[in-house]
Amino acid sequence: AQRVTQPEKLLSVFKGAPVELKCNYSYSGSPELFWYVQYSRQRLQLLLRHISRESIKGFTADLNKGETSFHLKKPFAQEEDSAMYYCALSPGGATNKLIFGTGTLLAVQP
Amino acid sequence: EAGVAQSPRYKIIEKRQSVAFWCNPISGHATLYWYQQILGQGPKLLIQFQNNGVVDDSQLPKDRFSAERLKGVDSTLKIQPAKLEDSAVYLCASSRDISPGYGYTFGSGTRLTVV
Repeated sequence: AQRVTQPEKLLSVFKGAPVELKCNYSYSGSPELFWYVQYSRQRLQLLLRHISRESIKGFTADLNKGETSFHLKKPFAQEEDSAMYYCALSPGGATNKLIFGTGTLLAVQP
Repeated sequence: EAGVAQSPRYKIIEKRQSVAFWCNPISGHATLYWYQQILGQGPKLLIQFQNNGVVDDSQLPKDRFSAERLKGVDSTLKIQPAKLEDSAVYLCASSRDISPGYGYTFGSGTRLTVV
C-alpha cells in the first residue's frame, strides 16, 4: 500500500535550534517525494522536491531509499518557519497524484 | 501569474442538501485536481483531469460526488446529497505538466460544514 507517515503532530523548537521533520513512506517503486508547507492563513504551497535536490529557505531533504525516509531539515530555525508541513509522495505514472501525510505543525518559539 | 481561484471560501449546508464548488486553474495548466482535506488529515485526491478528460477518479464517491471540467478550463465539484462526513476543506490544484515530480499550485480551498 502507498502510505506517507509523519509521526509527529507537533514539533516545538526554539529560534536558532536545528529542526528535523520526519517523513517515512511505503511504496514498492521509485516515488517522487515532496514537502509542502502551509503558513497561517495562506494556501498550501510547494516547498521542495527531492528530484531537484535544492535548498529552499534553508531547508533541505534527502531521500533515503534504504530507510524509506525523506526527512526535512534546517540547521537554524527561524520564527517565520512556523507552519504546517506536509510530506507527499507521487507514485508517478499517468495520474501524478499526490499522497499526503497527516502533517506536522512546526512551532518556533522566540 | 494569477493563482488558482476557488469559490466560495466557506459554505454551511444541512445534511442531504446539495452543494457545488468552482475552480479556475492557472492559465495554460492542463491538469486539474480536486482534493478533500478532513480536519487533522492530509489532503486526499478525489479526481484528476487532464484537459477535459478524467485521468483518475478512483477515490471519488460517485454515488454522491460528481465533477466536470468543460472546455478543459474551469471545473465544478458537486455533492448531492451531502453527509456529515463530507465536512472538509475542498482544495483545487493545477499543474502545467502531468509528469511526476512537477509539483502543483493549490487554491485557497472551500471550507464545507455539513450540519
